[in-house]
Amino acid sequence: SQTIHQWPATLVQPVGSPLSLECTVEGTSNPNLYWYRQAAGRGLQLLFYSVGIGQISSEVPQNLSASRPQDRQFILSSKKLLLSDSGFYLCAWVGGETQYFGPGTRLLVL
Amino acid sequence: EDQVTQSPEALRLQEGESSSLNCSYTVSGLRGLFWYRQDPGKGPEFLFTLYSAGEEKEKERLKATLTKKESFLHITAPKPEDSATYLCAVQAPSGSARQLTFGSGTQLTVLP
Repeated sequence: SQTIHQWPATLVQPVGSPLSLECTVEGTSNPNLYWYRQAAGRGLQLLFYSVGIGQISSEVPQNLSASRPQDRQFILSSKKLLLSDSGFYLCAWVGGETQYFGPGTRLLVL
Repeated sequence: EDQVTQSPEALRLQEGESSSLNCSYTVSGLRGLFWYRQDPGKGPEFLFTLYSAGEEKEKERLKATLTKKESFLHITAPKPEDSATYLCAVQAPSGSARQLTFGSGTQLTVLP
């Protein structure tokens, strides 16, 4: 069966520091992968999606970037975090027509 | 632009008190409408997919229905463990990306 992992689970970072969040999927090959951000009490905002290695599409201009160095690995990065980057970051993959989500990473920028 | 509006934002029910959550959508050609359940601090958990008007899906105390403009999530005789945020999302035809547009969710609290 397929499993999606995210780490770290929780992260507290100072403003201006770099960021790297990792997502890996097991049990499937060449999945579509997605990064979402969820602000408190709000819906999910799509940040990036990838249909294959090295293929990244950005939905929202910001100081974040994404990379897909391997088939089942998706990384979200920033060179300098802003206070507004705080939130709950979710990775998802597509099985059939359905998106399945990982456990999420809670990011607090101070 | 695809839009999804969920109502109410929050709903408090007594255990056993049935109710419905609403999801209104605007999309150019619906490819699918999805319902998810999200517990605090966790990722959304998939519940249902609906593809065409008139379709219904059931799972335990939940039943999802779909019309051309909205979807309802009916909760029959809810229990405290049904407390969660319920998210609705739509998918429009968009090539291979299968992107979803989400509503802001309905936070359901079921009191014992």
